[in-house]
Amino acid sequence: EIVLTQSPGTLSLSPGERATLSCRASESVNADQVAWHQQKPGQPPRLLVYGASRRATGIPDRFSGSGSGTDFTLTINRLESEDFAVYYCQQYGRSATFGQGTKVEIK
Amino acid sequence: QVQLVESGGGVLQPGGSLRLSCVASGFTFSDYGMHWVRQAPGKGLEWVGFIRYDGTDKYYSDSVTGRFTISRDNSRNKLYLQMDSLRVEDTSVYYCARNGGGSSWSWFFDYWGQGTLVTVSS
Repeated sequence: EIVLTQSPGTLSLSPGERATLSCRASESVNADQVAWHQQKPGQPPRLLVYGASRRATGIPDRFSGSGSGTDFTLTINRLESEDFAVYYCQQYGRSATFGQGTKVEIK
Repeated sequence: QVQLVESGGGVLQPGGSLRLSCVASGFTFSDYGMHWVRQAPGKGLEWVGFIRYDGTDKYYSDSVTGRFTISRDNSRNKLYLQMDSLRVEDTSVYYCARNGGGSSWSWFFDYWGQGTLVTVSS
């Protein structure tokens, strides 16, 4: 099983700042098959990025994904109030596994 | 618009059985593989299983293999999760999710239902 480790566990930032979320895989992820999902309290997750860097339909361009191999990053430029949530990375190079999540909270 | 609506959750004792349903609309259901993903209270996400668009292949996580069975009825746009020999640790919100890769083997989740809560407790 490919284990994903996300860091930091919690990110405290102010609106307008940039958030940088990290996801490290225990082995190289085939064909950069990594996705990022956002989850707000009481809601289901929402797909933000797939294929490591492709934004999903309707996702604002302030969200961007990057990385390859074992190291992947989600960057959120100019945080808006609705961006404070928990973010999960997910690999689908072999089966499907999730990281433990990074909470982005208001500072 | 794509909609996925789960039902069938409830409270039951260890060793019991339950069948969850998910009805899909807003897309051609028979063109897409489908997944179940769960989330224990206050915890992260765990993939449970996948069924191919035509129902011919199914895959499960190690934690549910032999106890859970995924099926689908493409004529009714419905996805099912039969859960047997339930354990306390199966307590979770269960989400159905559409396979973002369509009929392919790219297992990311592009649409999620609202989820249904299953509580296993003695």
